Amino acid sequence: AQTVTQSQPEMSVQEAETVTLSCTYDTSESDYYLFWYKQPPSRQMILVIRQEAYKQQNATENRFSVNFQKAAKSFSLKISDSQLGDAAMYFCAYRRPGLGQNFVFGPGTRLSVLP
Amino acid sequence: DAGVTQSPTHLIKTRGQQVTLRCSPKSGHDTVSWYQQALGQGPQFIFQYYEEEERQRGNFPDRFSGHQFPNYSSELNVNALLLGDSALYLCASSLLALEQYFGPGTRLTVT
Repeated sequence: AQTVTQSQPEMSVQEAETVTLSCTYDTSESDYYLFWYKQPPSRQMILVIRQEAYKQQNATENRFSVNFQKAAKSFSLKISDSQLGDAAMYFCAYRRPGLGQNFVFGPGTRLSVLP
Repeated sequence: DAGVTQSPTHLIKTRGQQVTLRCSPKSGHDTVSWYQQALGQGPQFIFQYYEEEERQRGNFPDRFSGHQFPNYSSELNVNALLLGDSALYLCASSLLALEQYFGPGTRLTVT
């Protein structure tokens, strides 16, 4: 079974600075998807970024980028120019391709942004 | 375009009771998945519905059951509630089961 680990229960960053959240996963599959979701106090899970395992290029979405190391099974999220609105729980998730595949989530990292 | 909606927002039940949670998927989506998120943890997959059938199920007992209607909306039923069933229940919808869009969740408290 696939597992996702986030070793940082809590992180903090100064506003406008950069922070990196770590994620590792375990799978025997060669093709899969990885995601970062954000969950603010409103509880709504919001997709931040997605990475396909077959793509070598790291995904980027505005201030959010990932460092995908397939051999090391590592998938970290970098948030640049941190904003107060970035404060939330961040979940790393894994999903196999194909219909009917569910997400496997990590335990989450709580990010605080200090003014 | 309405996103995923869930009702009710909060719910308090007593041990042994039964509860039904509801989810309306994002417009155009045909697949609904349910997750349980205990306090301080990541969401755990319960099951997924597609074409009104349960397509996949996580490691949850038979007390957890569901249904999908022809309009793609879905219900999650939990029988014989336990204190450990207290959690945030998230519904997610998708088309072709790629990206999942989550609803705001239903907070269930079992006393």
